[in-house]
This record gives sequence, structure tokens and C-alpha cells, in this order.
Amino acid sequence: EAQVTQNPRYLITVTGKKLTVTCSQNMNHEYMSWYRQDPGLGLRQIYYSMNVEVTDKGDVPEGYKVSRKEKRNFPLILESPSPNQTSLYFCASSTFTGGPTDTQYFGPGTRLTVL
Amino acid sequence: GEDVEQSLFLSVREGDSSVINCTYTDSSSTYLYWYKQEPGAGLQLLTYIFSNMDMKQDQRLTVLLNKKDKHLSLRIADTQTGDSAIYFCAAENSNSGYALNFGKGTSLLVTP
Repeated sequence: EAQVTQNPRYLITVTGKKLTVTCSQNMNHEYMSWYRQDPGLGLRQIYYSMNVEVTDKGDVPEGYKVSRKEKRNFPLILESPSPNQTSLYFCASSTFTGGPTDTQYFGPGTRLTVL
Repeated sequence: GEDVEQSLFLSVREGDSSVINCTYTDSSSTYLYWYKQEPGAGLQLLTYIFSNMDMKQDQRLTVLLNKKDKHLSLRIADTQTGDSAIYFCAAENSNSGYALNFGKGTSLLVTP
């Protein structure tokens, strides 16, 4: 089954404790992306990657890191989480050919709470 | 980034039609999308429209695009309680790879 998986689905942590949210897709997609969803703000892109070893900042990259060592994985790293990073995070992937087949497939979301 | 605006709430009665409106600013967006998010779930693509089209119909869904006014709408015919969800309009960000600019989402509530 084609899917994007994220782990963990729920996480409560404390300020400053490094964490990683994993994202994996099994569709051989080139493009992967992380979004955060906040009430009243919709989805905002954090980072994206057009292929292995190619990453770039989205609209709200501060406080986040990503890596793309393999095509299927795109982990989101919070080196020193702060309470304003409490949010619902979505990973997405798509092909990269130009057109509606580049539809982004979304993971189920990770709800992060930073105390 | 580019802006995508939507109204935040819409309430309709079961059986009626729902119309969710969206405006966007990036005139270079080639494709425009509607996504649906059910409670506790991720986003699911509902439909999309190519920027040189005025209308696209897909079963109960009709998408209208006014490219001159940069206005997009999603009409759901015969709305059912299972259609209650948040609907996101999204436009391609021509300046940022294949990023999508999302609106804040419209919460649709369908009452019996």
C-alpha cells in the first residue's frame, strides 16, 4: 500500500530536549516536505527536499533541521525544542515531474507538545 | 510567501449544496488543489484544476476557477454529514520548488 508514515504520532517533551520525528514513504517519490499546522494559521511549510541530499527552507524553518540521506526518509529534527513548536506536523511526498501527478501525499500527522 | 485566503467556517444542512471559496495571489500557479482533512487525520487530495480550465466536475464536486480574479471555489452537491471536515485550498508556489501554499482551511459542518 502506497503511504507516508510518521513516527511518533504523539509526543510530549520538555524544552531543550532534542527530538526527531521520522518520515518515510514507499512510493519512490523525489519530493518530500514538512509542514506544521496551527489553529488559525493553516499549514505552513518548514523544509522541503527535491531529492537526496537536496534540501531547502520553507516558510518557517527556524528551530528545525532536516536531512535527506536516502530517498525514502526525511526526518525532522528539533535540536532544542521550545513551547512555540507545539504543533501538528505533517510530512508529505510527491513525484517531481510537473503536473497534477505531483500531488502531495500526506502522512497521518505527529502531534507534538513541548512543555 | 504567497497568500491563499479562505473563509474559516461554513454550516449547511444535509442535502443542500456547499460552496467553499478561496482566493490566491500567485498568478503563476499552474495547478490549484482542494484537500480534505477529517478529524484526527492527515490531508487527502479531493480534486485539482489546471489553471487554463474554468471548471472541473468530479461526481458531487465542482471546481470553478476565475483566473482573472484569482478566485477558486469548491461546490459539494447534496452535502452529507460525512462531508463535515476541514477543506484546504492550495496553490502551487512558483518561487519555492513544488511547495504548496495552503489557505487556513474552511471548517464545514453539515447538520441533519
